[in-house]
Formats: sequence, C-alpha cells, structure tokens
Amino acid sequence: KAGVTQTPRYLIKTRGQQVTLSCSPISGHRSVSWYQQTPGQGLQFLFEYFSETQRNKGNFPGRFSGRQFSNSRSEMNVSTLELGDSALYLCASSSRLTLSTDTQYFGPGTRLTVL
Amino acid sequence: GIQVEQSPPDLILQEGANSTLRCNFSDSVNNLQWFHQNPWGQLINLFYIPSGTKQNGRLSATTVATERYSLLYISSSQTTDSGVYFCAVGNTGNQFYFGTGTSLTVIP
Repeated sequence: KAGVTQTPRYLIKTRGQQVTLSCSPISGHRSVSWYQQTPGQGLQFLFEYFSETQRNKGNFPGRFSGRQFSNSRSEMNVSTLELGDSALYLCASSSRLTLSTDTQYFGPGTRLTVL
Repeated sequence: GIQVEQSPPDLILQEGANSTLRCNFSDSVNNLQWFHQNPWGQLINLFYIPSGTKQNGRLSATTVATERYSLLYISSSQTTDSGVYFCAVGNTGNQFYFGTGTSLTVIP
C-alpha cells in the first residue's frame, strides 16, 4: 500500500496570504488528522476528519480550517498568514472509527515558511 | 487534555551503547505509539503499544498502563538511530497528544 502523501512538500508565502495544503491518506483509511510542529510548541493537534465530518478541533484560531472529500483526501487552509504560522504541517491517517484506539500513519509533512 | 512528559530531553551516545527513553502520561490511555522523526521531518512508526511489551530487532518497548508510563529501549545503537523520538497517546477522544520528544545523537 502507498503511504500517506502530502503536497506540496515546501512552501514559501508572505504575511497576509493564504495557503492550502493537501493530504492523501492510505487507501481505505477514512480518518485524517492534521498537526502543526514548531520548535517552540512541539506537535500540536489541529483537527481530525472522518467521513467528511470534522470530529475534533484543537486550540487554533479560525484562520485554520480544513475539509475532507468523499475519497478521504483532506485539505487544510490557513488564511491571513502570520509569521508564527511557519511550521511543519503533518497529516496522519488511520483506519478505525476511533482515532485514539488506532495506529496513526504520518505523511512526510509540508514545510511552510511565512516571510 | 493528557499531559505527556518524555525524558531525557537530550541523549548523546557512543555507537554500540544501549539506552532507555521514558514516557509518562497523566491519564489513562488506550492508545500509545512511539515514533522516530528523521532529519527530514518524517514521523516513522516504531510501536503501537497501549500495554505490554513488544520487540522489533534492536528496539523494544514496554508500557505499564496502570502506572502510566512507557519505556523505549534501543540496544547496540547505530548512527542511523539519531533523531527525535516521540511518544504519543490517546484515550476516548479523537485526539492524539504528543510528548516533547527525546533528541538522540549517536556518535561513531
């Protein structure tokens, strides 16, 4: 099976712009989660989607949003970019109904730099 | 949310040495995974181990759920073991909580 894929791998944007990141889960996986990793805050949960529904959201401002399509592919969007949004954004997929009881598989990440 | 603490934060080893990484968590969990993050940022699954003991080659892990901790053992370390090791846990919610990681450097 192919692993989790994320595009693009690297991205440079300027403050005020918006960005869309994409994640394709492992075939058959219906749960997709997004995480932000920064040197100061570590790995933080953004949100999780299952069958096109957002099931849980972390403590991030409304500028961070996401969606999931019927083929389980997911996108996250960050509007009005700030310098502090520079981070590695990681996507994870799992197969079962309950995120917390299943193995998470991570993609290679998208490294976003905001200038 | 669940608090996850990892120790030590940094570890430097000579090639061939053994090490033990620890993960403490603040609440009962039904999911615990260990990951290795390589220099390119990829999180690689090492173990899914909410309880018990597992071994995979030079790596093994033990989770004592009743005492809320997990240990990752690395034996005969190699330079390719360098990187950051993360413990992540989950319980009844749909969220995964990560520790702050242990940064391991293996010197030839």
